[in-house]
Amino acid sequence: AQKITQTQPGMFVQEKEAVTLDCTYDTSDPSYGLFWYKQPSSGEMIFLIYQGSYDQQNATEGRYSLNFQKARKSANLVISASQLGDSAMYFCAMRGLTTGSARQLTFGSGTQLTVLP
Amino acid sequence: NAGVTQTPKFQVLKTGQSMTLQCAQDMNHEYMSWYRQDPGMGLRLIHYSVGAGITDQGEVPNGYNVSRSTTEDFPLRLLSAAPSQTSVYFCASSLWTGGRAFFGQGTRLTVV
Repeated sequence: AQKITQTQPGMFVQEKEAVTLDCTYDTSDPSYGLFWYKQPSSGEMIFLIYQGSYDQQNATEGRYSLNFQKARKSANLVISASQLGDSAMYFCAMRGLTTGSARQLTFGSGTQLTVLP
Repeated sequence: NAGVTQTPKFQVLKTGQSMTLQCAQDMNHEYMSWYRQDPGMGLRLIHYSVGAGITDQGEVPNGYNVSRSTTEDFPLRLLSAAPSQTSVYFCASSLWTGGRAFFGQGTRLTVV
């Protein structure tokens, strides 16, 4: 079974500052992928970043980086230089990659980020 | 470059009515899935398919049916709508079961 925990229902950050959104996970799969998605008020799900459990380096995509600590089972999203357009709900998700694993994408409950001007 | 297309975007149903939410993708993805999103609960998997002719249940399958006759299409059927099925529904696809998921725009369903 897989489980994603996002303990911050809401976060505030000042424009241009960095912010970290927490995500911890639990899985029995030896190989897995971790994802972050952004959902603005318009409702669509926007893919941000991916980290494989086998990747040696933390993933980065522009202003987004994933702070992956495998031993702690955490996959925190770091947004640098926040912008007003970053205000949205953010979801952490994972799926197993092992042959025979359920392969379903499991989501956390999300963190609502508000960027203040 | 359509990606994943869901229809309709909005729907209001009366209790007991049935309907089908449509989902189509043009990326030749093998893996397709349906999620529902309720406030404070993230996205929960309803049904998924790893290829044409193969479907399986997710976390919350009761009250829903799916079929996968082609690679492109993965419709979700509500058999007899109930107010508890009021939710936002997302269809998603990925190239392989471990890959990034592409989402449709969502369907906001209200059952009265």
